[in-house]
Order: sequence, then structure tokens, then C-alpha cells
Amino acid sequence: DVKVTQSSRYLVKRTGEKVFLECVQDMDHENMFWYRQDPGLGLRLIYFSYDVKMKEKGDIPEGYSVSREKKERFSLILESASTNQTSMYLCASALVDLEFFGPGTRLTVL
Amino acid sequence: QKEVEQDPGPLSVPEGAIVSLNCTYSNSAFQYFMWYRQYSRKGPELLMYTYSSGNKEDGRFTAQVDKSSKYISLFIRDSQPSDSATYLCAMRRSGGSNYKLTFGKGTLLTVNP
Repeated sequence: DVKVTQSSRYLVKRTGEKVFLECVQDMDHENMFWYRQDPGLGLRLIYFSYDVKMKEKGDIPEGYSVSREKKERFSLILESASTNQTSMYLCASALVDLEFFGPGTRLTVL
Repeated sequence: QKEVEQDPGPLSVPEGAIVSLNCTYSNSAFQYFMWYRQYSRKGPELLMYTYSSGNKEDGRFTAQVDKSSKYISLFIRDSQPSDSATYLCAMRRSGGSNYKLTFGKGTLLTVNP
């Protein structure tokens, strides 16, 4: 079974803090993704990566950056958290066509 | 027009009912079609996967793709309370490095005992 794990299930941070969300997959997948999910807006792609040290912007990259130093790990960074970044963050990894999701991190920015 | 449209529901049915969930799309280049199930406060899990047109059956679940009408469906037979979840359709183009999925916004389904 594919396993995608995320470092925290729930996280509370303050405005202006730097936030790191970690994602690890154990299936040697090339592709990894970060989404946020908000009521009424669905899943929106923030960033994705096709390979180590490769990254591409998704639909809503503003206010976020990513890092992929190792194949199994894909990190999402909020340089200066803001209240409008309160959301459910979902990481996924993909074997060509099929994406497998982690359990999600519910981030609250106060 | 949005690339993928999905009725958000909510949809409430009695246990044992047949459930039909649907998505329409506008991009004729989509070739791969998926359905994900997402329980409350959990990540989406892949339920069904279909390439191009046709039907695929897995137990109580059947996925249908009609590319001529740009319409996909997920049928759930003999629905159970454990099927209560949000169902997301997703699709993508084939070939190249276009691995991005386009998602519908999800339909919330409740199956009442």
C-alpha cells in the first residue's frame, strides 16, 4: 500500500510566523503535490514537483514556497503566515497517473 | 465555463438506495478519470480509475465515462451508512509531463440507516 504521511494533523500558528509542512512518501514516486482545500472552493493546487530539486507553480502559489531535497520528501513553506492561509493542506504523491493523498494538516493562523 | 462541474449536493439517501454522482467537463483532452472518496477530516482516497470511455465495476461501485457527452458518473449500489462521505471527481490529460489533476468541488453524500 502507498503511504503518504504528513508531519502534523493539526497546527496552530500566529500571523507572521514561518511555517513548515512536511510530507513523506514511501513508494519512490517521482511526482509530489501540495493542495489546499477550503469549503466551497474545493482542492486547489499550490505547487508540484516532478523530481528532486524540481518544482513548478500550481494555481495559487502566492505566499508559499516548496523544497524537495530528497525524492521521498516534499515540504511546503509559508514564509510569513497570514490568517487567509488558514486551511486544510493536503499532500499527494503520484505514480504517473494516480495520485495518493496524505491525511491532511489542518492549519489555523491566528 | 469551469473545466469540471460537480453538483455539491448535499445528497441524502436511505440505506440500500442506488446513488448516482456526476461530473461534466469542458476539456476534450481529458483522458484519465478518477473518483476519490473523502471522509470528514481525512485525505481523499482513490476509489475508481478509468481511462477514456467505458464502464468499470468494482464491487458495489461502477464508474462510467461518456467522452462524447463529456460526462462521467459514479454509481453506488446497495448504499451503506459507511458510504457517507464527500465524493470528488478528477481528471487529467494524457502524455507529456501533464500530471496535474483537475478536480470537481465534491458532492457530500449521506446514507441514512
